[in-house]
Amino acid sequence: GDSVTQMEGPVTLSEEAFLTINCTYTATGYPSLFWYVQYPGEGLQLLLKATKADDKGSNKGFEATYRKETTSFHLEKGSVQVSDSAVYFCALRSNFGNEKLTFGTGTRLTIIP
Amino acid sequence: IAGITQAPTSQILAAGRRMTLRCTQDMRHNAMYWYRQDLGLGLRLIHYSNTAGTTGKGEVPDGYSVSRANTDDFPLTLASAVPSQTSVYFCASSGEKGDTQYFGPGTRLTVL
Repeated sequence: GDSVTQMEGPVTLSEEAFLTINCTYTATGYPSLFWYVQYPGEGLQLLLKATKADDKGSNKGFEATYRKETTSFHLEKGSVQVSDSAVYFCALRSNFGNEKLTFGTGTRLTIIP
Repeated sequence: IAGITQAPTSQILAAGRRMTLRCTQDMRHNAMYWYRQDLGLGLRLIHYSNTAGTTGKGEVPDGYSVSRANTDDFPLTLASAVPSQTSVYFCASSGEKGDTQYFGPGTRLTVL
């Protein structure tokens, strides 16, 4: 079945550091890929997505590129801010059957000033 | 536009009691979902509904039931709560096939 493996946390970085959170997936066919963010005390919000190979999703300075050859969708940001502190979830949606999302376990990111 | 609302925000429940978590969306989305979020496990799908009048089982459906009488509402019922159902529950919805899923603020449930 479908699965998502993402970098174990927690991750602690200083402000303005470079961020990478790794995400790899296993799926049949060509799934759509997502990064969701959960700020403290809130629900999940879509951060970015990519629906086909080589697509790059971007939002709020974050980027991720759909790499079919390595089945990866790593999240990157060049200069993190304290306000980026949150839990980040990688997810995939199969293009077969229902539209359910399969999530990774989440990575807690803390940015210190 | 409110989006998705969930109620209650949090609840402490005695084991064996019946509990219904409410979810309402005002986006006229066809599909709705219930997930539970547990530390170290991410989010797991409990039940889903592709359109009003239909429901399906997700990854962890045991002990839960849902109904979808209309487009807007998708309640989740625990018939007889057990401590392993202590979790944070998120409702989500999506529109046309391939659309993004939008999440509610969650319900934190503790079963003692």
